[in-house]
Amino acid sequence: QSVLTQPPSASGTPGQRVTISCSGSRSNLGKNTVSWYQHLPGTAPRLLIFLNHERPSGVPDRFSGSKSGTSASLAISGLRSDDEADYYCSAWDDSLNGVVFGGGTKLTVL
Amino acid sequence: QMQLQESGPGLVRPSQTLSLTCTVSGGSISSGDFYWSWIRQPPGEGLQWIGHMYYSGSTYYNPSLKSRLTISVDTSKNQFALQLFSVTAADTAVYYCARRPVTVNVDAFDIWGQGTMVTVSS
Repeated sequence: QSVLTQPPSASGTPGQRVTISCSGSRSNLGKNTVSWYQHLPGTAPRLLIFLNHERPSGVPDRFSGSKSGTSASLAISGLRSDDEADYYCSAWDDSLNGVVFGGGTKLTVL
Repeated sequence: QMQLQESGPGLVRPSQTLSLTCTVSGGSISSGDFYWSWIRQPPGEGLQWIGHMYYSGSTYYNPSLKSRLTISVDTSKNQFALQLFSVTAADTAVYYCARRPVTVNVDAFDIWGQGTMVTVSS
């Protein structure tokens, strides 16, 4: 089991807004920032969100992140077919003294 | 733009040592700005952090792998390496190298390699 909990799947139609949740505990999301990654099979994971809500240059503002307490979420608006991918949340965990990931959410664009 | 590229054997026998190298281009591994990291993804599973190292030698290892793991840096070759000892089929995965900026103003893995598949099988 992953330390951070994500729903295994999510879906939406083109143009819709979808959100993916990430639940943790005091030692990870409660004390540290969350980052989000987009991963297409066979490719390098791509950093989408860091420091809870910041976007690297080149990531469109359709992607947004938030965190409250021990939960975080990634929102994707104006859903496109090429958003179909696996999405992972991640954070530093003070108890493990290491990085933890969520189990990943497979996003399907219907 | 910095790039990372993994290399190493695609097949390792059980009980042997898995050895991978990550070559860094477009920047110096000894700049002091990054932690050099390994992450893996077993088939059908999610991402798992293996560990990371600062160029000066400080290491952070996943507690579940720590007893079998060594991450090292070769500044002369601008490379860092992973050694995982006494492997089993459970170590079969795509292995990624990545960089993690030291600054608290990022706190994420911002550049990743393409990944390399390693199968543990006799």
